[in-house]
Amino acid sequence: DGGITQSPKYLFRKEGQNVTLSCEQNLNHDAMYWYRQDPGQGLRLIYYSQIVNDFQKGDIAEGYSVSREKKESFPLTVTSAQKNPTAFYLCASSMGVAGGRETQYFGPGTRLLVL
Amino acid sequence: KNEVEQSPQNLTAQEGEFITINCSYSVGISALHWLQQHPGGGIVSLFMLSSGKKKHGRLIATINIQEKHSSLHITASHPRDSAVYICAVRERGGSQGNLIFGKGTKLSVKP
Repeated sequence: DGGITQSPKYLFRKEGQNVTLSCEQNLNHDAMYWYRQDPGQGLRLIYYSQIVNDFQKGDIAEGYSVSREKKESFPLTVTSAQKNPTAFYLCASSMGVAGGRETQYFGPGTRLLVL
Repeated sequence: KNEVEQSPQNLTAQEGEFITINCSYSVGISALHWLQQHPGGGIVSLFMLSSGKKKHGRLIATINIQEKHSSLHITASHPRDSAVYICAVRERGGSQGNLIFGKGTKLSVKP
């Protein structure tokens, strides 16, 4: 089955700790995205990548880092610099970023809680 | 900055009713998306529109570019339609890959 997976489903972070959220897709999509969702707010873009070895900052990139070494994988690291990391994190992918290729397919999400 | 406003914020309907959810935006766009978020958090893309109207099953999405407005209609609503419906737009000339999302409309359909 083709799809996009995220792990873990729940993640707990201690103060000052970096944590990495996994996102994998087997849809052969070029573009991948990371979003953050907070209660009562719309999704906000953290980072996106249009192609392997390239990525761009979104609206709220501070305190986060990503890599895109493989087409299938786009891990997100929440660093200790992110002071308010508690949120629901969603990964998505699409064939491209414009035109008929931009429909996004979402993973099930990871809930990050700070201890 | 483009603002995406959805109305209503919350909507309760009886099974079988016709549902309309509205989305307004403030600047020119190249595409508008409707998405559905299930109670567990998973999100599914329903439609991508740049003009006119699209239909899939009981769902219909329309867009009026001149009025900067889109509607999502659900005919013969069913409890399984209960979800948060999200509108998102891509600004014309905006950053590739960057959608602007509304806060969503929470729909509850009672049996």
